[in-house]
Amino acid sequence: DTGVSQDPRHKITKRGQNVTFRCDPISEHNRLYWYRQTLGQGPEFLTYFQNEAQLEKSRLLSDRFSAERPKGSFSTLEIQRTEQGDSAMYLCASSPLMGGSGYTFGSGTRLTVV
Amino acid sequence: AQRVTQPEKLLSVFKGAPVELKCNYSYSGSPELFWYVQYSRQRLQLLLRHISRESIKGFTADLNKGETSFHLKKPFAQEEDSAMYYCALSGQGYGQNFVFGPGTRLSVLP
Repeated sequence: DTGVSQDPRHKITKRGQNVTFRCDPISEHNRLYWYRQTLGQGPEFLTYFQNEAQLEKSRLLSDRFSAERPKGSFSTLEIQRTEQGDSAMYLCASSPLMGGSGYTFGSGTRLTVV
Repeated sequence: AQRVTQPEKLLSVFKGAPVELKCNYSYSGSPELFWYVQYSRQRLQLLLRHISRESIKGFTADLNKGETSFHLKKPFAQEEDSAMYYCALSGQGYGQNFVFGPGTRLSVLP
């Protein structure tokens, strides 16, 4: 297991286009989280899953954002009709159901909307 | 509401000097506090948790509920400590989402 993987590493898209990011968590981790990080800020929570159930969504997650984790393994985050304000680093993290080891983060997907 | 503040955006110290990265939080219950670190070109990683009361890479942090602080300290800074440091808070119950502070960039000068 190589940790949390995110794909792609970088994405440049035109305003108005749809984009989809993928996250593969550590295989034995039940929980999966999506965060967004803009320049000069710490990561901001977007949503999280426990297995395939999406348990919490931030108000930051507008109607243009949707996340899925269909089989409780990998997850996708889709942004529809991208806007320049969506430009950010999108981070995925996973954690076990119990235990105090904190999150394991992926390297992130950097989105640039032009 | 949960909130984490880190008053310093940038902290520069000389090698061998003590370092203290400040973190204050607001939370109505009993939070769990963490420090995460991001070295250049690497992913965000957990440095330490208040609940384990451990020392990692010479760093320690004590939760002060009276002052609602969780400052990160190291007695003798090393150049390899240069990185972004984020303080994070999690609500009661493991697995609750984290609230991160804005981060402090530590620069250890030779």
